[in-house]
Amino acid sequence: DAKTTQPNSMESNEEEPVHLPCNHSTISGTDYIHWYRQLPSQGPEYVIHGLTSNVNNRMASLAIAEDRKSSTLILHRATLRDAAVYYCILRPPLSGSARQLTFGSGTQLTVLP
Amino acid sequence: DADVTQTPRNRITKTGKRIMLECSQTKGHDRMYWYRQDPGLGLRLIYYSFDVKDINKGEISDGYSVSRQAQAKFSLSLESAIPNQTALYFCATSDGRGRENTIYFGEGSWLTVV
Repeated sequence: DAKTTQPNSMESNEEEPVHLPCNHSTISGTDYIHWYRQLPSQGPEYVIHGLTSNVNNRMASLAIAEDRKSSTLILHRATLRDAAVYYCILRPPLSGSARQLTFGSGTQLTVLP
Repeated sequence: DADVTQTPRNRITKTGKRIMLECSQTKGHDRMYWYRQDPGLGLRLIYYSFDVKDINKGEISDGYSVSRQAQAKFSLSLESAIPNQTALYFCATSDGRGRENTIYFGEGSWLTVV
């Protein structure tokens, strides 16, 4: 199964951009790249996802490498409320398989005031 | 109101006792999941169900059982709780009819086994 690799932790200053990297060198051609985040004492929440093209939404942007072996979640202006664990996972298009339903340890983002 | 609701949110139980964690969802999703979270280990899948008649073991199903009572309800049971089952438990759902495959989580249930 394709796996993802993320740094254990990162720091950012408030109101500065943050780039959270994720490597997924064994990604299959049909896997979607999903990002979730988990705020303290809460369940994980969906942030963004993409397949090949870069994606933007109100929470973040997702930049996907041309070879799809890596991606970067971009928070354009970090706030203290963005301090969380960020998970990058690969999700196959719908199938009967449980492949890629498990999350790794993610990246703990600390935002400094 | 939350789309995915877990009860209880917190529970302390004794070793050997039976405990049930309940999950209900209002998203109309067909797929439901139970995860366990331990410090430093991320989320691990316990059981998952793709519809009412479909139950599957995840990576850490030993010591747990589940019941899918209806499309909107999925409960997790610990038949004889042990201390190393102390953890934060999450229920989640996803829509098997769309391509997004996004997962929606509940707020979690803290379980302490003493």
